[in-house]
Amino acid sequence: QLQLQESGPGLVKPSETLSLTCTVSGGSISSSNYYWGWIRQPPGKGLEWIGSMFYSGSTYYNPSLKSRVTIFVDTSKNQFSLKLSSVTAAGTAVYYCARHDRGQDAFDLWGQGTMVTVSS
Amino acid sequence: DIQMTQSPSTLSASVGDRVTITCRASQSISRWLAWYQQKPGKAPKLLIYEASSLESGVPSRFSGSGSGTEFTLTISSLQPDDFATYSCHYYNTYSWTFGQGTKVEFK
Repeated sequence: QLQLQESGPGLVKPSETLSLTCTVSGGSISSSNYYWGWIRQPPGKGLEWIGSMFYSGSTYYNPSLKSRVTIFVDTSKNQFSLKLSSVTAAGTAVYYCARHDRGQDAFDLWGQGTMVTVSS
Repeated sequence: DIQMTQSPSTLSASVGDRVTITCRASQSISRWLAWYQQKPGKAPKLLIYEASSLESGVPSRFSGSGSGTEFTLTISSLQPDDFATYSCHYYNTYSWTFGQGTKVEFK
């Protein structure tokens, strides 16, 4: 059974870069059937799409975050990663990685999420 | 950019009630809409995709309908396990957008 697991620091200082990795287990990230994405959820608020990627390396970003976001893949490790630069307190959120099924056009599999707090 | 607006933001209901949640798009999105259920401290779970297709393993009391700009998620008979937050989601051509969520709480 395919699973996704987020990892990375739980605390980031303002103005620094948030870095998270999603490890895909039980299946290959190198499939043409899926995109792989990052979504975040500030405490008590709704879901916000950050960006997505295809295993080939093609990337797609939320226009509101595009200037600060980088998503990249390491197919040898079956991982994909998120970097969000110049974070502020507004970046405090639970960060999820998820699989988008191209047939269903929906995120059908999610990681458990990881809480990241932006604070000095 | 297409905006997704859900209503209501909070819904109070009792076990056995029929519950309807609406998601409106700022312009037509055909049927490219999904619905998710999320419980506190947990990741979202896909319920419905392509507006009305039930994800495998999801109880049949959940149903989706609509096309164009207006969509609904209906729970035919609310069960104790259904008290949660529900979010709609639109995808098209490398852009993903979520609604702000509807919390279904005990009346």
